[in-house]
Amino acid sequence: GAVVSQHPSWVICKSGTSVKIECRSLDFQATTMFWYRQFPKQSLMLMATSNEGSKATYEQGVEKDKFLINHASLTLSTLTVTSAHPEDSSFYICSASVEPNTEAFFGQGTRLTVV
Amino acid sequence: EDQVTQSPEALRLQEGESSSLNCSYTVSGLRGLFWYRQDPGKGPEFLFTLYSAGEEKEKERLKATLTKKESFLHITAPKPEDSATYLCAIQAGANNLFFGTGTRLTVIP
Repeated sequence: GAVVSQHPSWVICKSGTSVKIECRSLDFQATTMFWYRQFPKQSLMLMATSNEGSKATYEQGVEKDKFLINHASLTLSTLTVTSAHPEDSSFYICSASVEPNTEAFFGQGTRLTVV
Repeated sequence: EDQVTQSPEALRLQEGESSSLNCSYTVSGLRGLFWYRQDPGKGPEFLFTLYSAGEEKEKERLKATLTKKESFLHITAPKPEDSATYLCAIQAGANNLFFGTGTRLTVIP
């Protein structure tokens, strides 16, 4: 299957700082990528849809000014958690599909811990 | 409102003991139902896509089936390496997926 790479795998940051997470499609181009958040023993919750060349679409309750998404190329989307707080600690995962309405391939996830 | 319910929440099986995982869903206009496997600390790994009622797909010890209201993931003669959380997701309107909370499977040697 297609490969989606996420970096870093884990990051620890101090409260109040910003953290950037990268999501790359390695062997295909992705017009659209998705960002999810997963809390322990809970399912994946969609945060936002990242659209290449245009603004991201955020799900209800997700602060767009806090979770900045940039999709500057067909193979790279970035999620920046600004002014991180301990409650932002979670597992962040991105996904992309080769074609619309087909299976999504996921990155390996990023474990963010804010101390 | 789209909804996905998976059961059981957790399942412990002896090696070789076959069983089934359930995914019940309600959605207006199902475009696809997806099964994923997730290991601890990792992103989900794609297993199957089912598009219409009556469809079945198999891969090694796993078989997925779909009806108009639910999907089953059958595990035949499981091995310890099958231990993982199995996630079911539906795709309705947009291209994103709506996930269930998963079934945590443990296969005991």
